[in-house]
Amino acid sequence: NAGVTQTPKFQVLKTGQSMTLQCAQDMNHEYMSWYRQDPGMGLRLIHYSVGAGITDQGEVPNGYNVSRSTTEDFPLRLLSAAPSQTSVYFCASSLRRTENSPLHFGNGTRLTVT
Amino acid sequence: QQQVKQSPQSLIVQKGGISIINCAYENTAFDYFPWYQQFPGKGPALLIAIRPDVSEKKEGRFTISFNKSAKQFSLHIMDSQPGDSATYFCAASRSGGYQKVTFGIGTKLQVIP
Repeated sequence: NAGVTQTPKFQVLKTGQSMTLQCAQDMNHEYMSWYRQDPGMGLRLIHYSVGAGITDQGEVPNGYNVSRSTTEDFPLRLLSAAPSQTSVYFCASSLRRTENSPLHFGNGTRLTVT
Repeated sequence: QQQVKQSPQSLIVQKGGISIINCAYENTAFDYFPWYQQFPGKGPALLIAIRPDVSEKKEGRFTISFNKSAKQFSLHIMDSQPGDSATYFCAASRSGGYQKVTFGIGTKLQVIP
């Protein structure tokens, strides 16, 4: 199994550009989420989904959009990139949406906005 | 508001020593406390987890100690090895919610030979 796959691994954007970070999982997990990791801030939840067609906001949702049309995919869209969105982004999934099952993380996308 | 406070932010331990990382939480509804280990260039991976009905859980060289009354929990790494050098995150979540896991800020551990 591939687990959680994120693409691209690295990306450089100019301020104002848009892009989509891709996330796919092949474990038939109900729950998927996006985190950003910044020095001294830990991992902060951006958006999450508890199933196809169901999404909700996390702790830091501004400037990001998500959708979940299939169980496998959960893309994160940056509408108009800002330097404050320079970060490492992680997608994570877990088997059950309401139980405390472990999160499985991808290897991240390192995004730089200039 | 930081719901899970983690310390220290960085830690240097000699090979064979004990590494100790501490976390404190505020929300008494939390009932699941995992620790994640992250190596450079990789995503975090579950290391060990505990629920508040036990005070200690041990898996190999890794032990979680849990103090429900103080709302604190800690990770102990016995006989620390250079291969343990990584960033460690404590986290907390509650049953019934939609898996909204709250993470600490992370501790970068370096084990020196």
